[in-house]
Amino acid sequence: AQSVTQLDSQVPVFEEAPVELRCNYSSSVSVYLFWYVQYPNQGLQLLLKYLSGSTLVKGINGFEAEFNKSQTSFHLRKPSVHISDTAEYFCAVTSNYGQNFVFGPGTRLSVLP
Amino acid sequence: SQTIHQWPATLVQPVGSPLSLECTVEGTSNPNLYWYRQAAGRGLQLLFYSVGIGQISSEVPQNLSASRPQDRQFILSSKKLLLSDSGFYLCAWSKSSGNTIYFGEGSWLTVV
Repeated sequence: AQSVTQLDSQVPVFEEAPVELRCNYSSSVSVYLFWYVQYPNQGLQLLLKYLSGSTLVKGINGFEAEFNKSQTSFHLRKPSVHISDTAEYFCAVTSNYGQNFVFGPGTRLSVLP
Repeated sequence: SQTIHQWPATLVQPVGSPLSLECTVEGTSNPNLYWYRQAAGRGLQLLFYSVGIGQISSEVPQNLSASRPQDRQFILSSKKLLLSDSGFYLCAWSKSSGNTIYFGEGSWLTVV
């Protein structure tokens, strides 16, 4: 079975500052990794995903994440955040095709002016 | 391209009343379908998933049930709502051989 840990429940950061949202996973098999963003009162939108290949993955809205197999991590980064990045961010993992997706508890990013 | 829609977007229901939330996916066939619940300020809880018509797997025993009457339609129901059923309900889909899950817009349910 897989599990996902997002150690930071809330991350406040000033506008134009860099941000890193941490995600660690546990799995006994190879995994696919995802980051989703949820704006208030909306569904989850896919930010980026790692399936294979390059460990540095670029997504929408200037976000990127790096898969580190030895540290079982998939941290999300953005070099300069905007007010509009204020949202809840979820890390997720799956190892099976289209059935078992496990989500972390989420990290609330608050971008301050 | 594929799209997913769920409705209603918001719902206020009295305790003991029935519930029906609907979800449809367009632009694909034989998708895997999911219902998640998100309580206020909390993460996602998988309620049901389906790999085909009439095939429903329940992850959490509760007051809710799900049905899949058509290939791209997924319905979440309850005969008698409880206060604890309040929350944000999300429908999602993935390709049967896919590795990515996509979400609908969500439905807010408030049981009063």
